Amino acid sequence: QIQLLQSGSEVKNSGGSVKVSCKASGYTFIGYYLHWVRQAPGQGLEWVAWINPNTADTKFAQKFEGRLTLTRDTSTTTVYMDLISLKSDDTAMYFCARGSRMNDLAFDLWGRGTLVTVSS
Amino acid sequence: QSVLTQPPSKSGTPGQRVTISCSGSSSNIGSNSVNWFQQLPGTAPKLLIYTNNQRPSGVPDRFSGSKSGTSASLAISGLQSEDEADYYCAAWDDSLDAYVFGAGSKVTV
Repeated sequence: QIQLLQSGSEVKNSGGSVKVSCKASGYTFIGYYLHWVRQAPGQGLEWVAWINPNTADTKFAQKFEGRLTLTRDTSTTTVYMDLISLKSDDTAMYFCARGSRMNDLAFDLWGRGTLVTVSS
Repeated sequence: QSVLTQPPSKSGTPGQRVTISCSGSSSNIGSNSVNWFQQLPGTAPKLLIYTNNQRPSGVPDRFSGSKSGTSASLAISGLQSEDEADYYCAAWDDSLDAYVFGAGSKVTV
């Protein structure tokens, strides 16, 4: 079954860090970019970053530079998002999404999301 | 505030045609393709239109996309109750060096 399975909800303190996983299954892991998109409560979508699972190359939205690390484990077909120095406005649902073959930015497969709550 | 401007809401009756606009600039829509996503309440987004006007397999042909200059639009014809959702346009922005989404348009049937 083609899917992206994300880790469970997290509650973290302000200033702390969180690591969210996204396990890909049912397709060739290294063949597709994986993106992270977040959505604050009641708000719209915000692109966070992407990783090329084949090369481990990454690209981040500027606001996350220095706070975000993306890694991948090809043996377990899992991508990890590690966000540090958490702030209250990092509270959001974090989705991983696969870039399609036709267009790397057309996300054709999505995880169900991981809710990260940052409490002050 | 998003660099891609969408109307906050649109409404229509069953069977009607609804069009959602997405206005950008030369650094995003003007030089890159546009994708559209549909998000039903409480669920992850779903790819609706890619590369301006292409429909992924399984998306009804009631949904269509177009792009002209620095603007794009999504049309829903034959509106159905299950089309009630939030719709987002997105494009790469060369100036921001980031993928940007519109703020979303809520469609009410």
